[in-house]
Amino acid sequence: GQQLNQSPQSMFIQEGEDVSMNCTSSSIFNTWLWYKQDPGEGPVLLIALYKAGELTSNGRLTAQFGITRKDSFLNISASIPSDVGIYFCAGLTTGNQFYFGTGTSLTVIP
Amino acid sequence: DSGVTQTPKHLITATGQRVTLRCSPRSGDLSVYWYQQSLDQGLQFLIQYYNGEERAKGNILERFSAQQFPDLHSELNLSSLELGDSALYFCASSPRGQKSMGANVLTFGAGSRLTVL
Repeated sequence: GQQLNQSPQSMFIQEGEDVSMNCTSSSIFNTWLWYKQDPGEGPVLLIALYKAGELTSNGRLTAQFGITRKDSFLNISASIPSDVGIYFCAGLTTGNQFYFGTGTSLTVIP
Repeated sequence: DSGVTQTPKHLITATGQRVTLRCSPRSGDLSVYWYQQSLDQGLQFLIQYYNGEERAKGNILERFSAQQFPDLHSELNLSSLELGDSALYFCASSPRGQKSMGANVLTFGAGSRLTVL
C-alpha cells in the first residue's frame, strides 16, 4: 500500500539537542498524525493536526500541517533519553484511509 | 492503557499451523484496522472493518482473513503459517470508517507478537 516519505530514517543525537523530522506525500491529506512507538509496544498518538497551516504543541513537541496539505513536520526540543523510539507520521484521506510513514528511529545519547 | 485490547500478547507456533488474534476496540469506536509490523519495519496495513463490514484491504495474504463481530470485536485469522509471518500484529480502532467531517484518529493496541518456528 501507499506509504509516506519520512525522513530522516534514523537520528543519533546528544541529550539536550533539538530534533526535526518530516513527512511528504504526493497526495493531499485532511489530517496529519504523529505517533511514537517504544520497542515492542503499540504506537501512541503524540499530536493530531486538522487544518492546513496549523501549528500545534504538546510539551516539548511541535508539529505543523503543511500549507499544501502534502507534508508535515515534527520538532522535539531539548531531547531527553525517554524520547528514544520510532516516530511515525500518518495521513488521513477524505475516504478515511490512514497512510503511514516509514518511521524515524531516534537514539538519544546521554 | 489505550482502551484497545489485543490477545494474546505473545504466541509461538509452528509452520503450517493456524492462529487467531483477537481485538476489542476502544469503547465507542466503530472501525477496526489490522497492521503487520515485521522486525525493524514499518506498519503494513492489512485490512479495515467498519461496523461489521469490510471497508478496505491492504497487503493481506490470501492465507489471512479477518472479521468484525456484532459486538465490534475483531479477529484476524492466520493460516498455513510460514516463518516470514513472524511479526507484531497491531489492531487499531477509530470512531468512524466513512467520510468524516470531524476529528478521526487511530488508537493502537499493544500488539500480538507472533513467532513461527
